[in-house]
Amino acid sequence: EPEVTQTPSHQVTQMGQEVILRCVPISNHLYFYWYRQILGQKVEFLVSFYNNEISEKSEIFDDQFSVERPDGSNFTLKIRSTKLEDSAMYFCASSRLGGREHDTQYFGPGTRLTVL
Amino acid sequence: RKEVEQDPGPFNVPEGATVAFNCTYSNSASQSFFWYRQDCRKEPKLLMSVYSSGNEDGRFTAQLNRASQYISLLIRDSKLSDSATYLCVVTGTYKYIFGTGTRLKVLA
Repeated sequence: EPEVTQTPSHQVTQMGQEVILRCVPISNHLYFYWYRQILGQKVEFLVSFYNNEISEKSEIFDDQFSVERPDGSNFTLKIRSTKLEDSAMYFCASSRLGGREHDTQYFGPGTRLTVL
Repeated sequence: RKEVEQDPGPFNVPEGATVAFNCTYSNSASQSFFWYRQDCRKEPKLLMSVYSSGNEDGRFTAQLNRASQYISLLIRDSKLSDSATYLCVVTGTYKYIFGTGTRLKVLA
């Protein structure tokens, strides 16, 4: 069964450093998402991406964050200057459809980001 | 009012019990609804979609009441392996909106 993959599984970084989290969505999916989950809290939406553009972003997704689809398979989340409060599990998801044609989103296993 | 509200639990039930979870949502324009399951420190996994007519998948039954903006999940004959956090999910235009989740512990 096709699945979303994410690398690395765990990233430890120093405050102020840049990190790039990588995701390979399911191959025939067109919509891509990043969510985060701070330990003990709910899953929160960060950003959705379609046709090489951001479709929607949350208040969390400020200028420190960016997303890119550098090639036909990878989807990345960059945090330019990490803060302690960026420590969380970051989930990538993808869906075949999106927008008003809601479709099931499939989640990757997550990258645990620890900012020291 | 929170966008998606769930009782965090935990619900501790014996094996074989029937347990029900509820969820309310604030945006009447929401179009799609799901229950996801999340095991500790793992990704959310789709349990089932929720339809107005109600739907069943084995031991699991989901119901949607659009008028009351209320979603439910019923688990019959609980198994130890059902122990997890159950996430109520409501769609926005290009995103999922998650509830905090309800923790279930099935006890032997």
